[in-house]
Amino acid sequence: AQKVTQAQTEISVVEKEDVTLDCVYETRDTTYYLFWYKQPPSGELVFLIRRNSFDEQNEISGRYSWNFQKSTSSFNFTITASQVVDSAVYFCALSEAEAAGNKLTFGGGTRVLVKP
Amino acid sequence: DADVTQTPRNRITKTGKRIMLECSQTKGHDRMYWYRQDPGLGLRLIYYSFDVKDINKGEISDGYSVSRQAQAKFSLSLESAIPNQTALYFCATSDSRHRGLAGVDTQYFGPGTRLTVL
Repeated sequence: AQKVTQAQTEISVVEKEDVTLDCVYETRDTTYYLFWYKQPPSGELVFLIRRNSFDEQNEISGRYSWNFQKSTSSFNFTITASQVVDSAVYFCALSEAEAAGNKLTFGGGTRVLVKP
Repeated sequence: DADVTQTPRNRITKTGKRIMLECSQTKGHDRMYWYRQDPGLGLRLIYYSFDVKDINKGEISDGYSVSRQAQAKFSLSLESAIPNQTALYFCATSDSRHRGLAGVDTQYFGPGTRLTVL
């Protein structure tokens, strides 16, 4: 069975600090995708990134970067030079290729509060 | 205009009432999903539909039913609402034509419907 754990329930930082969100996953499948979604205070879910299990290259998009390590089953997310607009709940999710229904399994989310 | 819309955005109802939540999309995606979000639990899949004639139960379908009226519309019904169905409900869509290497689509979510059952 697939499982995603986000051990940090809430992180509070001051603007311009870096913040790293941890995501650890469990899967028996060798083929899968990992995702990050952002949920700002307005409530919608915004897709940020997906990474397949065959591609361990780190990715950077502006102030966002992702570190995927299969050896530790982790897919961590770093926000560099955080801004108040980064305040949101961030969800890591996993989808196995063999999962029925293209099922996404979500972690419990990490709430990030960026203070000015 | 938003690609995925949900109506209503907020709803308060009483125990035993029948409630319908609606989802419409203009993305042209063939697949649609309903999730519920509870604090600390992330999102959990209720039902999914890969095309108009294909509807399947997710992990928490008890107490819910769905209808795929057209490729662009997917409705979720609570036949007799109960308080523990109070949650934030999300509709999502994906396009099977853009599957990744692992055969997995990226799901795009609507703005959510906050449902309170008293």
